[in-house]
Amino acid sequence: GIQVEQSPPDLILQEGANSTLRCNFSDSVNNLQWFHQNPWGQLINLFYIPSGTKQNGRLSATTVATERYSLLYISSSQTTDSGVYFCAVQYSGAGSYQLTFGKGTKLSVIP
Amino acid sequence: DAGVIQSPRHEVTEMGQEVTLRCKPISGHDYLFWYRQTMMRGLELLIYFNNNVPIDDSGMPEDRFSAKMPNASFSTLKIQPSEPRDSAVYFCASSPHTTQYFGPGTRLTVL
Repeated sequence: GIQVEQSPPDLILQEGANSTLRCNFSDSVNNLQWFHQNPWGQLINLFYIPSGTKQNGRLSATTVATERYSLLYISSSQTTDSGVYFCAVQYSGAGSYQLTFGKGTKLSVIP
Repeated sequence: DAGVIQSPRHEVTEMGQEVTLRCKPISGHDYLFWYRQTMMRGLELLIYFNNNVPIDDSGMPEDRFSAKMPNASFSTLKIQPSEPRDSAVYFCASSPHTTQYFGPGTRLTVL
């Protein structure tokens, strides 16, 4: 099956700093989503971004499908950004709608 | 909309007992997914439905697990009999087609 690798696995930031999270995938995809799992366990969809660039406030994401990677940018980080960020992809050759999740990047923002 | 609703939020049971998890998707969403999250295996898709019909149950670990969607507003995931290795957080998600929206999860502990 398709492989999804996220880096770094752990990241500690001072409040106000910027960061870039990376997601590499092993095959062509037709669906890519970024999720944030907060410290209480809730999974929140951040972006649906199989290609191109999107922005939502301090967060933005870019997917370069031809090179099989996606980046999530967090600017001016806040303590509420802490949690685990997951990248999930759907292989374009799959016969079913199945998202494969990476292992996540655990972000800790300290005041 | 209230979002995806799951019940119970926490379940503690003894090995051998039957467990039923419940999910109400967002109204109008055609897809419903059941996931399991553990430290060892991360987020795994168990089964998904399209228009109340099970499409892909290849992630269901074994015959002890079953899922139903009798109508567009309700789904159940049943484990019978439960085992300690079934302890995990079980998420339900729904989608209109691309973006998936997750419920708060049910934390299951099997003693």
